Amino acid sequence: GAGVSQSPSNKVTEKGKDVELRCDPISGHTALYWYRQSLGQGLEFLIYFQGNSAPDKSGLPSDRFSAERTGGSVSTLTIQRTQQEDSAVYLCASSLVGTGGRTEAFFGQGTRLTVV
Amino acid sequence: AQTVTQSQPEMSVQEAETVTLSCTYDTSESDYYLFWYKQPPSRQMILVIRQEAYKQQNATENRFSVNFQKAAKSFSLKISDSQLGDAAMYFCVLDMRFGAGTRLTVKP
Repeated sequence: GAGVSQSPSNKVTEKGKDVELRCDPISGHTALYWYRQSLGQGLEFLIYFQGNSAPDKSGLPSDRFSAERTGGSVSTLTIQRTQQEDSAVYLCASSLVGTGGRTEAFFGQGTRLTVV
Repeated sequence: AQTVTQSQPEMSVQEAETVTLSCTYDTSESDYYLFWYKQPPSRQMILVIRQEAYKQQNATENRFSVNFQKAAKSFSLKISDSQLGDAAMYFCVLDMRFGAGTRLTVKP
């Protein structure tokens, strides 16, 4: 596709359920990032992939959060046993080169997660 | 670890006037890249301008320019001739770490 695609665009889930958020980066982009953005706030870094490996997962808030990337392309962010504080917009970005953040990153429209 | 600080949660500017958004950062690297991104109400993140640390010349993109002070670790964004479409959240970014953002309002 022409841009970074995230699905679903909106997700409402019950507290305690697991959710999976998907990110399709721009073809050829080796670097992929996940962020969490609460309403009107900045972007909280979650994890960075270079290819299929995650050299920096320091931002994952707890062991309920995990992410994987397969084939150097699609990435899935999984949140287990969701809590109300997990409610936020989850943004994905990709770029050609990850190290040092030297190149422009392109962002998806995000997934708005609401935990009720 | 890199840190980015934006000390102005909100700024306001009159249409056609100039506004400067502040950013300071900390890094142990000598070669790095700094960015300003904007996020309008549509939520779509858009690159505004990029600065390479080894270049002394300040980057400029049309009405947008930066004042990059490497020794002071300061990276401010100047928007000239502000337009209504400039209203957005502006984020200062270092190594894909985002500052808290500055919400810019443009008054007609």
